[in-house]
Amino acid sequence: QKEVEQNSGPLSVPEGAIASLNCTYSDRVSQSFFWYRQYSGKSPELIMSIYSNGDKEDGRFTAQLNKASQYVSLLIRDSQPSDSATYLCAVGSGGSYIPTFGRGTSLIVHP
Amino acid sequence: DTGVSQDPRHKITKRGQNVTFRCDPISEHNRLYWYRQTLGQGPEFLTYFQNEAQLEKSRLLSDRFSAERPKGSFSTLEIQRTEQGDSAMYLCASSRGTPGEETQYFGPGTRLLVL
Repeated sequence: QKEVEQNSGPLSVPEGAIASLNCTYSDRVSQSFFWYRQYSGKSPELIMSIYSNGDKEDGRFTAQLNKASQYVSLLIRDSQPSDSATYLCAVGSGGSYIPTFGRGTSLIVHP
Repeated sequence: DTGVSQDPRHKITKRGQNVTFRCDPISEHNRLYWYRQTLGQGPEFLTYFQNEAQLEKSRLLSDRFSAERPKGSFSTLEIQRTEQGDSAMYLCASSRGTPGEETQYFGPGTRLLVL
């Protein structure tokens, strides 16, 4: 049983701070890792994907992957109230087209 | 709009009725997925198609659920004899690429309420 674990939160940060969202996974052969943002009542929207160990930056977002520790994180710099949403971690394994989703972490950025 | 589209966006039905949802994927994507999502949970995989072939179904998927993708383009998801526990957001996603490295793009979802 492949599992993806996320703290459901909510994680509350002040505007302008760095928000750090974490995700652990159980399947050691996982190869692809995705972060989706989901606003209340809306569908998931892809923010970033990462496939190799290390950091990947895109604007205010940085994904960090550590396969040895089976850990992936998302950092959001200069957090804005518009970043308030649920962030879903999804993990894909080689040979499978079906990623496993975590339950998401609720982020609240307060002014 | 070249994204994934779903219809209807909302559906209210009475218990025991049948409902059908439609999904139109991004045109060049050959894989199409159906998920179900309830409040506070991540998307739960239901089934997926590669072109017109249904390649996998979740073991959790009741036989009241059926999906088709007759020409490898749009797909329909039917729920027969709906139950209150079927109330959820039904999400469709499409993708292309190699296993484990592809990205799924989601449609806006169909929110189902069974009374």
